[in-house]
Amino acid sequence: QSVLTQPPSLSAAPGQMVTISCSGSSSNIGKSYVSWYQQIPGTAPKLLIYENNKRPSGIPVRFSASKSGTSATLGITGLQTGDEADYYCGTWDSVLSVGLFGGGTKLTVL
Amino acid sequence: QVQLVESGGGVVQPGRSLRLSCIASGFTFSSYPMHWVRQAPGKGLEWVAGMWSDGRGIYHADSVRGRFTISRDNAKSTLYLQMNSLRGEDTAVYYCAREPPNGDLKCDAWGQGTLVTVSP
Repeated sequence: QSVLTQPPSLSAAPGQMVTISCSGSSSNIGKSYVSWYQQIPGTAPKLLIYENNKRPSGIPVRFSASKSGTSATLGITGLQTGDEADYYCGTWDSVLSVGLFGGGTKLTVL
Repeated sequence: QVQLVESGGGVVQPGRSLRLSCIASGFTFSSYPMHWVRQAPGKGLEWVAGMWSDGRGIYHADSVRGRFTISRDNAKSTLYLQMNSLRGEDTAVYYCAREPPNGDLKCDAWGQGTLVTVSP
């Protein structure tokens, strides 16, 4: 069981909006930046969001994120079939000095 | 362009050892912290180990501490993972990943992964 808690799965229709939550604690999300990753099955993860809410170049504005206290949220608007993937939050635990990933959320766009 | 290429995976018996390598190109390897992340079949991502750019910060997950060791050779732009006393639960695709400084596990480049299978 992951230290960072995400919903295992979500589904939504094309064009709709979805939010994915990531819950941690004061020693990890509460103290460190949160990143979000998208992983298409069979491929390596891809950085989607860094430093809580910043998008790398090439990531559409449809993807946004925020952090409040010990929780973080990824939002995707205007869902497309190509957004079907697994999404992971990640951060550093400054007390344990270990990296952490959430358990992942499988997004289905139907 | 930035490229990370892992190698060294394969099938190994429980209790044996394996060393993974990750050759970096397209950036100044010595300036970046690096990580190993694994993914068991059908499971999520698991952080395994991380090492700061100067080699002074070395960290391992509880699940591998004492058995796995991360290291790097900045002159060869290569990251390593020495895996000893392998167990079935170590079966996974192992990725190396680059983290820009002060990133808090902000991994902006990943290799394609190398599969390690631990089986009798």
